[in-house]
Parts: sequence; structure tokens; C-alpha cells
Amino acid sequence: DQQVKQNSPSLSVQEGRISILNCDYTNSMFDYFLWYKKYPAEGPTFLISISSIKDKNEDGRFTVFLNKSAKHLSLHIVPSQPGDSAVYFCAAKFAGGGADGLTFGKGTHLIIQP
Amino acid sequence: DGGITQSPKYLFRKEGQNVTLSCEQNLNHDAMYWYRQDPGQGLRLIYYSQIVNDFQKGDIAEGYSVSREKKESFPLTVTSAQKNPTAFYLCASSITDRVNSPLHFGNGTRLTVT
Repeated sequence: DQQVKQNSPSLSVQEGRISILNCDYTNSMFDYFLWYKKYPAEGPTFLISISSIKDKNEDGRFTVFLNKSAKHLSLHIVPSQPGDSAVYFCAAKFAGGGADGLTFGKGTHLIIQP
Repeated sequence: DGGITQSPKYLFRKEGQNVTLSCEQNLNHDAMYWYRQDPGQGLRLIYYSQIVNDFQKGDIAEGYSVSREKKESFPLTVTSAQKNPTAFYLCASSITDRVNSPLHFGNGTRLTVT
């Protein structure tokens, strides 16, 4: 049973526009959420995170929104750039849990078109 | 430059042979992890270690073994008992004394078993 779901395997966005990647979770005990970005044949790199006590966290072009009642989070990238083309993984962890408690979604492949 | 080094990048083995994947970090992180990624799948935790000479099974430990004799090294052995060993293997590390510290990943080893 998948606890973290990224229902869009791929997303195509025009350069300069907004990219919105979505993530849903089923376990209300998750209290911390992270987004990782992964290029082919490389390891994922940490992008941005959000605690359940917040509903928004912003870092430059990247903003993560959390809707706890809907068990939904989204990553917004504005404006989208060619280097943003990658696979994005959503991950969640339980309160007090270490990184061993990270649960990953299957990823969304973002393609930025010129 | 601090980071995580995984070697080799590509590895080919015959079915029935054990193979060991190397992971070294110079980030002075206490915790280290092994994940497996299959096409269209999220990252699944194989083993993790929070401290030297101690390690714990993750979600899919069957057919794998690890050791943690040194803080900077966490090799993974894929044994012949692993039914589907062909995959992309990722090693990661994190700081354990900081809540919600993100994982830092290596660039992975792609193992192909024929």
C-alpha cells in the first residue's frame, strides 16, 4: 500500500511558465515532507522541505505548499528553466523518526520545453 | 570537497555470484543508508546504520547484507539469494543529531545481473 503517491509519472511545461508537481499521502502521522530532484544516472539531491506546522515554504524559485486536511502537498517552480528537467521525488517522515522513516513517492518526470 | 562516493558506476555480474557495492563518505555523518531504485518506482530502503558496528534492516533487506566497521564506509553485498538484483543502488548519509536533516546521496551504482 503506497503511503506517498505521485500520480503524474510525467509533466511537460514550457520554459518560463510555472511547474506544479503534486504529491498525496495517506498517513496522517507524517509530519515532515521533503522534495528531492534527480538527474539520470545521478543520486537525488535535496531541494526543499516543509514541516507540518507550516503550510508554505519558499526558497528562491521553489515553493512547497502543504494542505494537511487534504493530505496533499505541491511543489511550484517559477519560472521553469531547462535545468529543472529531472525526476522529482516527494518524501515523508513520521514525527520523531530518523531518515530510516522516509517514505518516497514514485517520482514525477518534469520536462521543460523550450 | 565533501561527499559520498559510490563505486563502480556500472557493475555486471553473472547470476549466482555475490557482489559488493562500495560506499564511502567524508561528510563525517553518523548515519548511512542503502536504497534501491527500480524503473518507475520510488526509493526503497534496504539497510541503514546509525552508528559504527550497528545496522538495521530496511523494507527490502532480504538477499542483502551490510557491514559498518568504519564511520565513513558502508558496503552493501548483493547475495545470490536476492531474486531480482538488477537495479540502481543508491547510498546516502545524514547527520543524526539534527532533527529532520536531509539525506545526502551518492551518484549510484547500476548493477546488472544476467
